[in-house]
Amino acid sequence: KNEVEQSPQNLTAQEGEFITINCSYSVGISALHWLQQHPGGGIVSLFMLSSGKKKHGRLIATINIQEKHSSLHITASHPRDSAVYICAVTGNQFYFGTGTSLTVIP
Amino acid sequence: DAGVIQSPRHEVTEMGQEVTLRCKPISGHNSLFWYRQTMMRGLELLIYFNNNVPIDDSGMPEDRFSAKMPNASFSTLKIQPSEPRDSAVYFCASIQTWGAGGYTFGSGTRLTVV
Repeated sequence: KNEVEQSPQNLTAQEGEFITINCSYSVGISALHWLQQHPGGGIVSLFMLSSGKKKHGRLIATINIQEKHSSLHITASHPRDSAVYICAVTGNQFYFGTGTSLTVIP
Repeated sequence: DAGVIQSPRHEVTEMGQEVTLRCKPISGHNSLFWYRQTMMRGLELLIYFNNNVPIDDSGMPEDRFSAKMPNASFSTLKIQPSEPRDSAVYFCASIQTWGAGGYTFGSGTRLTVV
């Protein structure tokens, strides 16, 4: 059983589409993180959330603590958004989702 | 700040040799993590330190792996003896626990054991 589940595992979208990646977790957390990893690249922290919503450019992250669910939205997607997006939770322990591989086609 | 600094960036070694990976966290971050990433398993937490003290090493695969954090600005991950299945990218990350910022990851060390 995975403490953090992401969906979908793989996602292909046309440039300009609105994208949603979901993350559900089963443990108590103090914060949820969304990370981004470009092919062959390093890992960058996009958001850290403990409640509500955060926005950075075309990226929006939301979290519902009661439902233990978070979503990452990308508006007006662009080929440079192609990457693996990883959901991670921190609390008494640290868990990662297996990632969502996003490909945005021009 | 230059970010989390890992060295070396790439390491190729023969099976049986000792490998030492190094990490300098961001100044002021009090938690440091070592992760391993492979195609098969994705990102795995190996060990993390809080205030230089190892808190959870349950992710360390076996006794061949050891990690130290002698001070707040330096940590090492050692594999002795190395095996081909240890080939992976090893990331170090730091965070200010309970702080407003998220993880900062190093660029990783790509280890190949032949």
